[in-house]
Amino acid sequence: GENVEQHPSTLSVQEGDSAVIKCTYSDSASNYFPWYKQELGKRPQLIIDIRSNVGEKKDQRIAVTLNKTAKHFSLHITETQPEDSAVYFCAALPPLYSGAGSYQLTFGKGTKLSVIP
Amino acid sequence: DVKVTQSSRYLVKRTGEKVFLECVQDMDHENMFWYRQDPGLGLRLIYFSYDVKMKEKGDIPEGYSVSREKKERFSLILESASTNQTSMYLCASSELRETGSNEQFFGPGTRLTVL
Repeated sequence: GENVEQHPSTLSVQEGDSAVIKCTYSDSASNYFPWYKQELGKRPQLIIDIRSNVGEKKDQRIAVTLNKTAKHFSLHITETQPEDSAVYFCAALPPLYSGAGSYQLTFGKGTKLSVIP
Repeated sequence: DVKVTQSSRYLVKRTGEKVFLECVQDMDHENMFWYRQDPGLGLRLIYFSYDVKMKEKGDIPEGYSVSREKKERFSLILESASTNQTSMYLCASSELRETGSNEQFFGPGTRLTVL
């Protein structure tokens, strides 16, 4: 099955600096890669996602890049703010109807981001 | 707005008790999932269901079972609770899509403590 590795496990940045979180995946057939943000005491929420036919996607201060050849994808947050402090999870999903596990998101273990004012 | 609700936010049970965690979604989603979340281990899938009465084991199904009698409701059952099942349990739902977003919408979580 799919295996997703996420680094670093913790990250501290000064307010205004950029933050980068990296994930690698093992199943070359995976074609959907979301990022979730979980603030303390709250549920995870999708912040950005990308499909394998796209190399980069941006939404204001956040962006995701995907390198299918190397099987890794990254979350980039620019101009970080204290409200960006949270745990971030990456995930990978194989194609639907591709057999066992095709509905199953595999998550990384998470990165705790702290933005220092 | 998609809403996923869980029956309890906090639950305390004794070892050996049978525990039911219920999840309801109101967006007619085909897929529903149960995860447990533990510090340093991320989100681990226990079971999921892609249709009524259909269920598939996730990565850590041992000690758990599930029931999906109606499309909107997915129940997680701990047949005989043990202390190592103390955890945060998160339910999620999503549509079946081959393009666009496969966003999973999460419930607020149930923090279960087994004494």
